[in-house]
Amino acid sequence: SQQGEEDPQALSIQEGENATMNCSYKTSINNLQWYRQNSGRGLVHLILIRSNEREKHSGRLRVTLDTSKKSSSLLITASRAADTASYFCATDAMNDKIIFGKGTRLHILP
Amino acid sequence: DTEVTQTPKHLVMGMTNKKSLKCEQHMGHRAMYWYKQKAKKPPELMFVYSYEKLSINESVPSRFSPECPNSSLLNLHLHALQPEDSALYLCASSQAPQGGERWYGYTFGSGTRLTVV
Repeated sequence: SQQGEEDPQALSIQEGENATMNCSYKTSINNLQWYRQNSGRGLVHLILIRSNEREKHSGRLRVTLDTSKKSSSLLITASRAADTASYFCATDAMNDKIIFGKGTRLHILP
Repeated sequence: DTEVTQTPKHLVMGMTNKKSLKCEQHMGHRAMYWYKQKAKKPPELMFVYSYEKLSINESVPSRFSPECPNSSLLNLHLHALQPEDSALYLCASSQAPQGGERWYGYTFGSGTRLTVV
């Protein structure tokens, strides 16, 4: 069964706006990661946040983790056309199995 | 070198053909993976090699046969595939086997787009 579920499934915003995607999961985790996938290509690792961390930043990316709600969010600030991609969360459950969510398809409008 | 290289990028094969997908990394990663991804779906784990030994086979049909000749190379041998096996096949590597405190995430290759006709 899917461990991570992203919300929304698809998101279209104007260039320059902020984009927020959410990920919910079901069981306790060691880590949560976010990946980006441009159309038909491999996944690129964006950020890994550990279960004892609440927030992490990397450039225009901000990830939060709320283990009490079993949820994470990915914020992309000042979006650009190049941010158009699918974004996946991946959770590392206590059995060390990595499970990908269904993904959010982000489209940045010019 | 911080890349995972997959060849070929595209492959069209008949149902009676035998072909191989190749994956290479020179980052000293000790775990390597094969994933299968259908359009608009998340990647699905197929095989995990940890320290050059097969550690996980996610009940993949025997027409897919993985091989890890050394710590830098991973192959996926294909034989008698079905049209429904058409997908993007992704190779990934990681410093340590997946999960736990030493987990830093995957490095993915750009994939092989496989079409079975």
